[in-house]
Amino acid sequence: DAGVTQSPTHLIKTRGQQVTLRCSPKSGHDTVSWYQQALGQGPQFIFQYYEEEERQRGNFPDRFSGHQFPNYSSELNVNALLLGDSALYLCASSPGTGFYGYTFGSGTRLTVV
Amino acid sequence: DAKTTQPPSMDCAEGRAANLPCNHSTISGNEYVYWYRQIHSQGPQYIIHGLKNNETNEMASLIITEDRKSSTLILPHATLRDTAVYYCIVRGDNYGQNFVFGPGTRLSVLP
Repeated sequence: DAGVTQSPTHLIKTRGQQVTLRCSPKSGHDTVSWYQQALGQGPQFIFQYYEEEERQRGNFPDRFSGHQFPNYSSELNVNALLLGDSALYLCASSPGTGFYGYTFGSGTRLTVV
Repeated sequence: DAKTTQPPSMDCAEGRAANLPCNHSTISGNEYVYWYRQIHSQGPQYIIHGLKNNETNEMASLIITEDRKSSTLILPHATLRDTAVYYCIVRGDNYGQNFVFGPGTRLSVLP
């Protein structure tokens, strides 16, 4: 049973560009959450999607947006990239509220130059 | 902001028990204590969670004090593969909640 799959694994972008990261949740999971992890820090919550809607959002600007598709997969879009957006982006999935915890993917390493 | 306090780092000898403490003095009655770990270059991995009773699974044991203001994660026989950052998180069980990660404890298991 495949866990959470993220693509691409690594990405290099230039300041001002836009990027789309993709996530396929674990089979049976309908809720997807996205996190940003800067080097040496814990993951920071970006937003969560359930039933194709953004259900909650962390303290991130509108440049960060997302989408969830009917098959529960999700995308994270970041516009007007800044150097400070360089980080590991983690996708996590869960059935419902995540009472038994989230299953995380291995992340996408984004470098903005 | 994270509602927990953990030591920034700990060492443990291979084969010995690793006891990782966590303070959560402001925990609410409906909030659970969760533990995750993150091995270098991987996503966090769920370990265990509990409300007020001690819990055990194949990975670890969770001991929660009677007043629920602190807890300890126990890895009974630490191996080199247990070297990771361990995160203690408190969270309720309803939509509108998410897992808020602090800096965690960096556990180094030494040969």
